[in-house]
Amino acid sequence: GAVVSQHPSRVICKSGTSVKIECRSLDFQATTMFWYRQFPKKSLMLMATSNEGSKATYEQGVEKDKFLINHASLTLSTLTVTSAHPEDSSFYICSAWDGYEQYFGPGTRLTVT
Amino acid sequence: AQSVTQLDSQVPVFEEAPVELRCNYSSSVSVYLFWYVQYPNQGLQLLLKYLSGSTLVKGINGFEAEFNKSQTSFHLRKPSVHISDTAEYFCAVSPKYSSASKIIFGSGTRLSIRP
Repeated sequence: GAVVSQHPSRVICKSGTSVKIECRSLDFQATTMFWYRQFPKKSLMLMATSNEGSKATYEQGVEKDKFLINHASLTLSTLTVTSAHPEDSSFYICSAWDGYEQYFGPGTRLTVT
Repeated sequence: AQSVTQLDSQVPVFEEAPVELRCNYSSSVSVYLFWYVQYPNQGLQLLLKYLSGSTLVKGINGFEAEFNKSQTSFHLRKPSVHISDTAEYFCAVSPKYSSASKIIFGSGTRLSIRP
């Protein structure tokens, strides 16, 4: 089946720094990728929809200048958390859509100290 | 707009007992329905999905779900659970004919299996 990878799986960064998370579709092309955020013991909150070659569409309440999304190719989307703060600590999950189904990555746990 | 309600945040069940995880949805358009499972510190795995046709859908790991349009429900069932079924389960919907296949998740149900 289709596989989506995320890198890194875990990252710890200091407050004020930026961190980049990669999402790759390994065996298919994804014109659309999605980024979700999951708080402890909570559901997934859709942050943004990323379309290859165009600007991402952010959900209401998500700061686009803080969460930069780039979808440079049909197999790679990146999420950059800029000037991270402890409240940005969370589990970030991406998914990739092959036109029929969404496939989810294993997630990235971000801890901001 | 769509919304998903999972009525139980936690469901404790004894091993080998049957289980039902409840899910109701609200939508002004037709939707596809999904159940996902999430094991600790992992991403989501698709258990099953309803797109059209038979309202009883069979998925992986012995799970099945039944779509009830009149009650706008999509409850998940398993006749006999195992310790390995301990996980978080998410019901989700996606509007039909959506070009981007946006998925809206419920709040999740934590299934805990007691030996």
